[in-house]
Amino acid sequence: QKEVEQNSGPLSVPEGAIASLNCTYSDRGSQSFFWYRQYSGKSPELIMFIYSNGDKEDGRFTAQLNKASQYVSLLIRDSQPSDSATYLCAVTGSSASKIIFGSGTRLSIRP
Amino acid sequence: GAVVSQHPSRVICKSGTSVKIECRSLDFQATTMFWYRQFPKQSLMLMATSNEGSKATYEQGVEKDKFLINHASLTLSTLTVTSAHPEDSSFYICSARGRRGVSEAFFGQGTRLTVV
Repeated sequence: QKEVEQNSGPLSVPEGAIASLNCTYSDRGSQSFFWYRQYSGKSPELIMFIYSNGDKEDGRFTAQLNKASQYVSLLIRDSQPSDSATYLCAVTGSSASKIIFGSGTRLSIRP
Repeated sequence: GAVVSQHPSRVICKSGTSVKIECRSLDFQATTMFWYRQFPKQSLMLMATSNEGSKATYEQGVEKDKFLINHASLTLSTLTVTSAHPEDSSFYICSARGRRGVSEAFFGQGTRLTVV
């Protein structure tokens, strides 16, 4: 079992709709959870981080964490074509010494 | 977010030569730096983790004698690919974290290495 799992996609969403990206992790002791966006040929950029159960909102983005289910998600409201990218879920393990990345979900926003 | 600068952004070298990649945290002290490699259309693969002033911890399967990592100061880490071969051609990315614990990591711009 991979430590951090994501559906590779592609996930196709119409412009203006809500895009929902999901991630599960295996280490129950994980402490911190991150969502990064990566455009083709570029390095990842941090979008959101969340430490506590529940929702965290920042502009059009909402991160949701459920530690009991070992599940973290990212919602993107009012999707724009510029949101088309690969979204990487990342988790620090129980030791917090390193950050483990999922393989990413490719999101495509169609006009 | 914090700024991490990686240099060079692109390098082409001959097979058998060595290449050094620098990663600098510009506006914070990076107690931990991570080095990743990413092949086209694949995920980030963690190569090693380095803490300032101590030896790097390499992931399984990564040759520490081939990928030399130095984290001599709180703002600079270097990755040297020694005796590079065409199969080492990849996108190398560093990231830096500002304090021990659970803080987020910020990425450099990446270095596209092509070995010919």
